[in-house]
Amino acid sequence: KQEVTQIPAALSVPEGENLVLNCSFTDSAIYNLQWFRQDPGKGLTSLLLIQSSQREQTSGRLNASLDKSSGRSTLYIAASQPGDSATYLCAVPYAGGTSYGKLTFGQGTILTVHP
Amino acid sequence: GAVVSQHPSRVICKSGTSVKIECRSLDFQATTMFWYRQFPKQSLMLMATSNEGSKATYEQGVEKDKFLINHASLTLSTLTVTSAHPEDSSFYICSAPGRGGEKLFFGSGTQLSVL
Repeated sequence: KQEVTQIPAALSVPEGENLVLNCSFTDSAIYNLQWFRQDPGKGLTSLLLIQSSQREQTSGRLNASLDKSSGRSTLYIAASQPGDSATYLCAVPYAGGTSYGKLTFGQGTILTVHP
Repeated sequence: GAVVSQHPSRVICKSGTSVKIECRSLDFQATTMFWYRQFPKQSLMLMATSNEGSKATYEQGVEKDKFLINHASLTLSTLTVTSAHPEDSSFYICSAPGRGGEKLFFGSGTQLSVL
């Protein structure tokens, strides 16, 4: 059974800092990995999707890397801003699955960026 | 990007009542939608896969007679929590794959509180 773990559980940083969120998964036979942002009362927003054949994806100040063999992914946020404050979730398809909708989520990292 | 609309955003009800949650894909068709729930301080967990025109498939441990899913059209899936009890209090959120089926787009979620 796939298990996804995120570290740290919570992170508080001053504005402008670069930061790294970590995600690990137990079954390395994943099809892809997604990072989401969850805002209270606003559901989830997909930030980045990395295919199993890729090592990283970038979108603006966000960069996600994937190391399948070690079962790890990191989300790098450059020059953090208060608007980045949210819960960040990583998710992978069910073990052995290719369905993009059946995902196993980590518990998330609660990020607070203070001015 | 694709938009998924979910209503209501918050429900407070008495034990024993039934609650219906709607999930609509606004600018795309979704033959499949996914229902997740999230208990406080826990990960999002997949409950069921909603299939347009056919029966939903439920994850292990999810009671199909308690959580009724109807996917009557290509843009609407509903989840009805029947005879709700306090232990059903949770955050319910739906999702649908966008065009190409890769990224998942989520509704804004429904916070259910059963008294």
